[in-house]
Amino acid sequence: SQELEQSPQSLIVQEGKNLTINCTSSKTLYGLYWYKQKYGEGLIFLMMLQKGGEEKSHEKITAKLDEKKQQSSLHITASQPSHAGIYLCGADHGSGNTGKLIFGQGTTLQVKP
Amino acid sequence: ETGVTQSPTHLIKTRGQQVTLRCSSQSGHNTVSWYQQALGQGPQFIFQYYREEENGRGNFPPRFSGLQFPNYSSELNVNALELDDSALYLCASSLRGRETQYFGPGTRLLVL
Repeated sequence: SQELEQSPQSLIVQEGKNLTINCTSSKTLYGLYWYKQKYGEGLIFLMMLQKGGEEKSHEKITAKLDEKKQQSSLHITASQPSHAGIYLCGADHGSGNTGKLIFGQGTTLQVKP
Repeated sequence: ETGVTQSPTHLIKTRGQQVTLRCSSQSGHNTVSWYQQALGQGPQFIFQYYREEENGRGNFPPRFSGLQFPNYSSELNVNALELDDSALYLCASSLRGRETQYFGPGTRLLVL
């Protein structure tokens, strides 16, 4: 079955610094989702990528899906304390939009003021 | 537009008991998926409901069952609770054919 590996597992950065979180799949990704989670709470949708080479941005967060569609990266520019939380990448089980997602183990981000 | 809601927020049960968790989908959404998230892990897919029928299941035993109602709300039932069932249970709703799932705040279940 498809697995998603996130790196790093945790990250502590100084406010204002840039950072990147990676998500690597053992199989081709047909839909890659990025979510943010505050500890013990629900997931907040950030972005969804489908096409190889696709890049999307929202405020200071940019996500990209590589050409081979087996790796995605999430980049935060000029980090702020509000960016702190757990970032999760998720991939659709099937080859379409089934909505049955598998997730990586998450990357915990702390931003020091 | 109302978001996904779940109840209760927290629950404590003992081993062997049964539990029912509830989820109201976002307005206009017809598909509900349930996930289990153990501490420090990513969510794991339990099953999905569409048109009141189970539409796919993850690697969970039959003691995990569900229902979807005509208004698209859903229940997750777990029988014969085990200590390892302690987790955050998340439901997510979506519109079939659309990619994005929207998650509720979760129900924290503790099994003693």
